[in-house]
Amino acid sequence: KNQVEQSPQSLIILEGKNCTLQCNYTVSPFSNLRWYKQDTGRGPVSLTIMTFSENTKSNGRYTATLDADTKQSSLHITASQLSDSASYICVVSEFGNEKLTFGTGTRLTIIP
Amino acid sequence: EAGVAQSPRYKIIEKRQSVAFWCNPISGHATLYWYQQILGQGPKLLIQFQNNGVVDDSQLPKDRFSAERLKGVDSTLKIQPAKLEDSAVYLCASSPGRVGTYEQYFGPGTRLTVT
Repeated sequence: KNQVEQSPQSLIILEGKNCTLQCNYTVSPFSNLRWYKQDTGRGPVSLTIMTFSENTKSNGRYTATLDADTKQSSLHITASQLSDSASYICVVSEFGNEKLTFGTGTRLTIIP
Repeated sequence: EAGVAQSPRYKIIEKRQSVAFWCNPISGHATLYWYQQILGQGPKLLIQFQNNGVVDDSQLPKDRFSAERLKGVDSTLKIQPAKLEDSAVYLCASSPGRVGTYEQYFGPGTRLTVT
């Protein structure tokens, strides 16, 4: 069964600090991996999409990495801001039918 | 570019009642999705449309949930009758084509509370 597991489940850090969120998946065959940011009461918003051949992708202060061999991804947030407080969801797409498997998310809280 | 619109934003009903949600995707997007997101969990796909045809409804509880996408544009999701466990946020999303590496754009969601 395809699964996406994220860790930690929740994280609290001080404003200005860096943090890294983890995503492990068993989806096979692999098509692409996405990271979404979901603010409270809003729909998810795409941060990055990475295919098999990409091992790093940046979007401003967000940098995602992908190791397709170990089936792991990380999302690194640099110089965190209060507006980064949100849930971050890892989503993996299956090659062929393009079915998406969602992780349960990491709830990130930035405190001043 | 206007985003994905959903209504209502909030709905409170009693169990065994019926409810309907509406979604208007981004103009020109062929693919439309309905997701159920229970508090603390990631979204779960209920149904996926390609234009006005159903691509995947394997996780849709068909005894109580139904969805349609008339003319390949707007879509409605209906629950009849509702159960307590249907309390969740219902998200609509659209993309230009079948997922691939297309961006998927989500609406703000409808928060349903069943009492």
